[in-house]
Order: sequence, then structure tokens, then C-alpha cells
Amino acid sequence: SAVISQKPSRDICQRGTSLTIQCQVDSQVTMMFWYRQQPGQSLTLIATANQGSEATYESGFVIDKFPISRPNLTFSTLTVSNMSPEDSSIYLCSARDRSGNTEAFFGQGTRLTVV
Amino acid sequence: GDSVTQMEGPVTLSEEAFLTINCTYTATGYPSLFWYVQYPGEGLQLLLKATKADDKGSNKGFEATYRKETTSFHLEKGSVQVSDSAVYFCVLRGSGNTGKLIFGQGTTLQVKP
Repeated sequence: SAVISQKPSRDICQRGTSLTIQCQVDSQVTMMFWYRQQPGQSLTLIATANQGSEATYESGFVIDKFPISRPNLTFSTLTVSNMSPEDSSIYLCSARDRSGNTEAFFGQGTRLTVV
Repeated sequence: GDSVTQMEGPVTLSEEAFLTINCTYTATGYPSLFWYVQYPGEGLQLLLKATKADDKGSNKGFEATYRKETTSFHLEKGSVQVSDSAVYFCVLRGSGNTGKLIFGQGTTLQVKP
């Protein structure tokens, strides 16, 4: 199994600022993903973080608002830009290897509050 | 597109009661199906999975059977405990192997002593 570490675990930010969330996996994985869980809601996929190329964004999410980096097979970052109170959510990193075990692992999440 | 619909909560049961959380899905091809659990203050954990029709996933006394004919993957447990109190998510991964997971809306289970 893979262990995923996310930081920060929580933050309170001023509107108009940006926050970068880091995700570190303890083994090389093919696929990494970023999800958002708004208060009382389910998880929604933001984007697939592609190693060495631009992330693939889901409908309703854009690179200018949620820039993503993935410089190698064990690390990714998600930035929440120009934040507003509507961005208050839990952001989760997930990883899975394309072959073999089909399980996806999740980080503990980053609880973001925008004031 | 692919989607998952699960029973709305919250579900409140007494200890040792029987649990069913309904989950149905819409997908093309042959998806894999999962139940994930989120205990209070913790991250998401895989509870069980089934990757093809008629597979039964089981773990910690929980079971779910992949029913292609009814497009369902209902979660059951014969006797719940207070420690089972959590949010349960029915999850689908499409057969295209993109790795994307589609989550149901989550069902909160509260078990009272």
C-alpha cells in the first residue's frame, strides 16, 4: 500500500491570496489526482496530475484557478489561487498505480477556510 | 457520463442492528466498484472492492456484491458496532483505466449504544 502525506493539514487564509498544497507519496505511482470535498458534500475530481505535462482538468475547473505541478512520480502540488470563501473545502490528494493493484489511496486532506 | 447514487442519510441504528446502504450506478463497459469509509477526523480508507460482476467484496464484517443486472453494489453488515459510525462512500471507477473515481454523495452512519 502507498502512504500519502499532505501538507498543510489545515489553513485559514485571507480572500484574494493563494495557497499551495503539497502531496508526497512514499512510492512511485503512475497516477495522481486532486479532489475537493465541500462542506457536507461528496468528493469531486478537480484534475489528474500528469508527470511531465500539463494536468487534465475536469469540467468546471481551470488551470488559472487551480494550477497543478507534478515534477516526478512521487510528488504533486495544487495551488488554490485568488481565494474566496467559496473555496473553503477539504482538498484531497489521491494516488494509484495504473497496473496491478486497483486501489486508490488518499491523503488525510487539507482543510482550507477562506475568510 | 458515469454516475453513482447512494442512499441518503443520516442513518441511525442501534448497536447490533442490521445495516444496508443502497448504491446504484450508471456506467458504460465494466466498471470497478468500491466502498470507502471516512471515520471522524480521519482520511478516506478503502473498505472493500469488487472488480467484476458477481464478485463479493468483504472486510470487517461488511459485504457488497457487484450486481450487473441491477447495477447495484449495496453495502451490508449483519451487526453494527458503535465504532462503525462514519461516512460511507460508494465509488465507481470506469473501465477506461483513466483512474478517475466517481463518488456517491456519501451516507453518514451513526450507531448508538
